[in-house]
Amino acid sequence: EPEVTQTPSHQVTQMGQEVILRCVPISNHLYFYWYRQILGQKVEFLVSFYNNEISEKSEIFDDQFSVERPDGSNFTLKIRSTKLEDSAMYFCATETGGKYEQYFGPGTRLTVT
Amino acid sequence: DQQVKQNSPSLSVQEGRISILNCDYTNSMFDYFLWYKKYPAEGPTFLISISSIKDKNEDGRFTVFLNKSAKHLSLHIVPSQPGDSAVYFCAASSDRGSTLGRLYFGRGTQLTVWP
Repeated sequence: EPEVTQTPSHQVTQMGQEVILRCVPISNHLYFYWYRQILGQKVEFLVSFYNNEISEKSEIFDDQFSVERPDGSNFTLKIRSTKLEDSAMYFCATETGGKYEQYFGPGTRLTVT
Repeated sequence: DQQVKQNSPSLSVQEGRISILNCDYTNSMFDYFLWYKKYPAEGPTFLISISSIKDKNEDGRFTVFLNKSAKHLSLHIVPSQPGDSAVYFCAASSDRGSTLGRLYFGRGTQLTVWP
């Protein structure tokens, strides 16, 4: 069964450094999302992406964050200058149109020290 | 953001019995509801969904019931199995045409099924 994959599984970085989290969506899916879950809190929406454009972003997704699909397969989330409070599990999710089901990857645990 | 609430942080059920997980929402614009199961160190796994035009959807051992007037939905698992032990998340969205769009999640309920 096709799966969403994410790399790396765990990323440790120092405050102020840039990180790039990668996702490979399910092949026929057209809609892409990033969510995060800070330890002990809800899963929160960050951004949605369709047709090479951001469809919607939350108040969390400020100008330190960016997304792109550089090569038609990977979908990336970049955090330009990480803060301690960016430490969380980051989940990629993908969706094909018309089925109303979002499928999540296994997540990347980001630890900012 | 309290638009989706799961008021029970945990539920413990004996194997073979029914598990009932509850979820309430406040936003009347929500029209799709999903349940996800999550094991530690894994991503949420899609289980079952329901559109607001239905009041029940079944898939094997899993049934979701929706009560729009009460803004309440529940997930029934019958019979419960030890492998069902996980955190269950309720999520909701406002239909964006042919896609779910942004999902709003509850805090989750830890289900433990004991032998």
